[in-house]
Amino acid sequence: NAGVMQNPRHLVRRRGQEARLRCSPMKGHSHVYWYRQLPEEGLKFMVYLQKENIIDESGMPKERFSAEFPKEGPSILRIQQVVRGDSAAYFCASSPLVNIRQFLYGYTFGSGTRLTVV
Amino acid sequence: TQLLEQSPQFLSIQEGENLTVYCNSSSVFSSLQWYRQEPGEGPVLLVTVVTGGEVKKLKRLTFQFGDARKDSSLHITAAQPGDTGLYLCAASGYGGSQGNLIFGKGTKLSVKP
Repeated sequence: NAGVMQNPRHLVRRRGQEARLRCSPMKGHSHVYWYRQLPEEGLKFMVYLQKENIIDESGMPKERFSAEFPKEGPSILRIQQVVRGDSAAYFCASSPLVNIRQFLYGYTFGSGTRLTVV
Repeated sequence: TQLLEQSPQFLSIQEGENLTVYCNSSSVFSSLQWYRQEPGEGPVLLVTVVTGGEVKKLKRLTFQFGDARKDSSLHITAAQPGDTGLYLCAASGYGGSQGNLIFGKGTKLSVKP
């Protein structure tokens, strides 16, 4: 998974605190996707962003979750007032362009951030 | 509702055996991908298939896309311990954005030496 950098790798938060997960896409990639993987569950799409734009947030919970991809710097997934059910592995993926040709080469995933809420 | 059903959920075999895992849906896919995920890491793309009936080979791995583009299989010949991992299929074409991949729950493969 070289290229897509996620940090931190592990994050422990107490209930009610905020969690900030960062994702730096591969060099030259301007599209970022966030996925969540719950124990014993498949990866679930959360949000798709381009620089300064949210393209598709259909998988984001309605409350407490937000995402951004500023002109400069990494993409941030922010979870406010975390609860135990937010404990999961959060993966970021990136791609250079979104068209059928790029999709054929798939997305590059990072190694994930494992969030534990205690 | 799980749109992509993968089977079996778990598979434990001896080194040198052959195996096949499946990815099925009642819906038609515009394209499908197979990923492998190791513990503590993100998924790594193995292959993308787009044409009904397509067969792709990657060393000892053979991927097939069903004629109707509703199902796919992954066959591994002479499995090795290094093949151990979680095999995920993912598809697009369900009306979401291009970045909205639907993943199956995966097949957890263990190859014992």
